[in-house]
Amino acid sequence: DGGITQSPKYLFRKEGQNVTLSCEQNLNHDAMYWYRQDPGQGLRLIYYSQIVNDFQKGDIAEGYSVSREKKESFPLTVTSAQKNPTAFYLCASSIEGGGLNEQFFGPGTRLTVL
Amino acid sequence: GNSVTQMEGPVTLSEEAFLTINCTYTATGYPSLFWYVQYPGEGLQLLLKATKADDKGSNKGFEATYRKETTSFHLEKGSVQVSDSAVYFCALARMDSSYKLIFGSGTRLLVRP
Repeated sequence: DGGITQSPKYLFRKEGQNVTLSCEQNLNHDAMYWYRQDPGQGLRLIYYSQIVNDFQKGDIAEGYSVSREKKESFPLTVTSAQKNPTAFYLCASSIEGGGLNEQFFGPGTRLTVL
Repeated sequence: GNSVTQMEGPVTLSEEAFLTINCTYTATGYPSLFWYVQYPGEGLQLLLKATKADDKGSNKGFEATYRKETTSFHLEKGSVQVSDSAVYFCALARMDSSYKLIFGSGTRLLVRP
């Protein structure tokens, strides 16, 4: 079955530690996205990538980093510089870049900083 | 700037009741509009979309009409089921260089038997 997988589902981190969230897709999509979801708020875009080896900052990129070395993978690193990292993180992909294309979402990773 | 405003939830209804979730937007030009649904513990799924004024998107009994004159894209369903309980997000996309989806804050729907 084609789809997007995110791992782990739940992640706990101590303050001051970096942590990497995994996102893999087998849909052969060019574009991939990372969103952050906080209670009572909509999704906010962290980073997006329209093609391999290229990515752009979204609205709240500070304290985060990404890489796009392979078409199917778009890992997100939450660094110690992120002041409030506890949130639900969603990865998505679309056939190509462009909001008009349907974005397919993974099941999410809930990160808790202890 | 571009933004999406949704009615606050939770919206609590009995099964078979009529549903309306309001969504209004602010954008320059002619955005495309979307409704996404998030079931408990899951990611978002596209429910329906409309790409130009007066278009009606529909899926699984849900409908929404793109009203440019009122900058609205309200979600409706004639008879809700318990299985419709979820969080619903309205979103817009602009045809500019950023090609981003801009989401509203979401509206939680609770349907009771």
